[in-house]
Amino acid sequence: GIQVEQSPPDLILQEGANSTLRCNFSDSVNNLQWFHQNPWGQLINLFYIPSGTKQNGRLSATTVATERYSLLYISSSQTTDSGVYFCAVGNTGTASKLTFGTGTRLQVTL
Amino acid sequence: NAGVTQTPKFRVLKTGQSMTLLCAQDMNHEYMYWYRQDPGMGLRLIHYSVGEGTTAKGEVPDGYNVSRLKKQNFLLGLESAAPSQTSVYFCASSQGRVLYEQYFGPGTRLTVT
Repeated sequence: GIQVEQSPPDLILQEGANSTLRCNFSDSVNNLQWFHQNPWGQLINLFYIPSGTKQNGRLSATTVATERYSLLYISSSQTTDSGVYFCAVGNTGTASKLTFGTGTRLQVTL
Repeated sequence: NAGVTQTPKFRVLKTGQSMTLLCAQDMNHEYMYWYRQDPGMGLRLIHYSVGEGTTAKGEVPDGYNVSRLKKQNFLLGLESAAPSQTSVYFCASSQGRVLYEQYFGPGTRLTVT
């Protein structure tokens, strides 16, 4: 099956700093999603981005499908950005399932 | 719209007991999924359904059964709970296959003692 690697595994930032999270995957994909799991455990959809670039406020994401990676950018980080960020991918060979990476744990401090 | 809801939010079981987790979605989605999340890990697919009356095995199906009698509901059953099934369970739904975004419920935290 598809392998998904996320880096870095842990990240500590001061409020206001910028960061880049990376997701590498081992096969071609038709589905790529970024999620934020908040400290209460809720999974929040950030981006559906199998290719190209999208922006939503302080967050943006880029997927380069031909090179098998995706990047999530967080600008001007806030304490509410803390939590775990997951990348999940799927393709037509995986029969609808998403394969998740192990996540990047982000802590934003004052 | 409530989106995807899960019942219950928390449950403690003793080894050998049985229970059913209920997932409901109001988005008229065809596809529904059950995942489990263990500490320090991403989510892993248990079972999924591509439509009413259908179910299929995911990555970690052993010890679980599922049913999709109504389009809006997807049930996950544990017939004889084991401590290894202590986990957080997430339900998700999507409009269709692969090319559509999956939306997740709030999760059910299950502890088996």
